[in-house]
Amino acid sequence: DQQVKQNSPSLSVQEGRISILNCDYTNSMFDYFLWYKKYPAEGPTFLISISSIKDKNEDGRFTVFLNKSAKHLSLHIVPSQPGDSAVYFCAASVYNTDKLIFGTGTRLQVFP
Amino acid sequence: DTGVSQDPRHKITKRGQNVTFRCDPISEHNRLYWYRQTLGQGPEFLTYFQNEAQLEKSRLLSDRFSAERPKGSFSTLEIQRTEQGDSAMYLCASSLGTRNEQYFGPGTRLTVT
Repeated sequence: DQQVKQNSPSLSVQEGRISILNCDYTNSMFDYFLWYKKYPAEGPTFLISISSIKDKNEDGRFTVFLNKSAKHLSLHIVPSQPGDSAVYFCAASVYNTDKLIFGTGTRLQVFP
Repeated sequence: DTGVSQDPRHKITKRGQNVTFRCDPISEHNRLYWYRQTLGQGPEFLTYFQNEAQLEKSRLLSDRFSAERPKGSFSTLEIQRTEQGDSAMYLCASSLGTRNEQYFGPGTRLTVT
């Protein structure tokens, strides 16, 4: 039972354009969402998070949007840079635990 | 601070052997987590600690797996009688308190032959 889904296994974007990574979830008890970036042979690196009381959070080039009614969140990267090429995971946790449930990841490639 | 460290980075073992991994969290972090990741999947939760207390353990974790954090600092994850299905990347993470971002180490890649 995949509670957090990333339906696009890969995404290719030109440098300078916007990258939009999507994530859907099924568990209505999730109240905290995070995005991580992972390079090969490294552990995941935290990017940005959002609480369910908000619908948007911004940090530099990264913005996360949360649509609770649709159980959907997205990560926008503007402008995209070649160094953003990595696998991106969304993760979620239920209000009374810090256990993170991860999606299967989306591989982003930013080309010149 | 050098972040979360894990040792060893790679481990090759024969089926049936026991293995132990170590994780050193960021020094002021009181929460420590273990995850496992297999190819094409996201990290899967195994267990987590607040200081030395183990707060939650995944139902998917067999009794061959045990984790400790004896003094509330570093943690060890032991797998007894390893099976080929245990081959994976074992990730450790730490956080300061609850509902805060978790910072991951580089992982230990286990290969069971």
